[in-house]
Amino acid sequence: DTGVSQNPRHKITKRGQNVTFRCDPISEHNRLYWYRQTLGQGPEFLTYFQNEAQLEKSRLLSDRFSAERPKGSFSTLEIQRTEQGDSAMYLCASSTQNRGSGNTDTQYFGPGTRLTVL
Amino acid sequence: AQSVTQLDSQVPVFEEAPVELRCNYSSSVSVYLFWYVQYPNQGLQLLLKYLSGSTLVKGINGFEAEFNKSQTSFHLRKPSVHISDTAEYFCALKRTDTGRRALTFGSGTRLQVQP
Repeated sequence: DTGVSQNPRHKITKRGQNVTFRCDPISEHNRLYWYRQTLGQGPEFLTYFQNEAQLEKSRLLSDRFSAERPKGSFSTLEIQRTEQGDSAMYLCASSTQNRGSGNTDTQYFGPGTRLTVL
Repeated sequence: AQSVTQLDSQVPVFEEAPVELRCNYSSSVSVYLFWYVQYPNQGLQLLLKYLSGSTLVKGINGFEAEFNKSQTSFHLRKPSVHISDTAEYFCALKRTDTGRRALTFGSGTRLQVQP
């Protein structure tokens, strides 16, 4: 069990450029989540996948943001036409569905990708 | 809608002293409660969680928390802190039903342990 990994760890880009982040969940975790954390705040939910299906999307996920999990394993988060307000830490988490236990699964977080938009 | 309020943005404390980090929540549906810790430039690590049963929950690194339904609180405590406990602590909740999987976090409390 190698934990959740995210790449890159840091990304500096110019306003208007597109960026893509990758998340590799804990193996065999079928649920994957993206959160955004701005300076001095707690993480805010962006989106959730169960296997390859994107089941929840936050209002924070504007049309410039898109997330995919094509084979139900790793996921990518793309931001198009970045803005300075997109500067944040982007966190990925994964969990595994516990049979018959409702919503009790624990989310395990990766180290995050810190995005700086100049 | 659900929300989490962490009443103190910073808590300075001396090494080996006890500490309490306060967390209050608001929700119209039943929730599970969590505490996570974040060390500098790292992701979040689960300290403990309340799902059901005993309202006193013990976690890693000597931390514990008490769920108080009437006061809608889930305060985190440690009887004796170490320098290594210096970090950001986040309280979070999640609905018990399967309608929404997302965690809702508070804004965090920075614990600063001084020698």
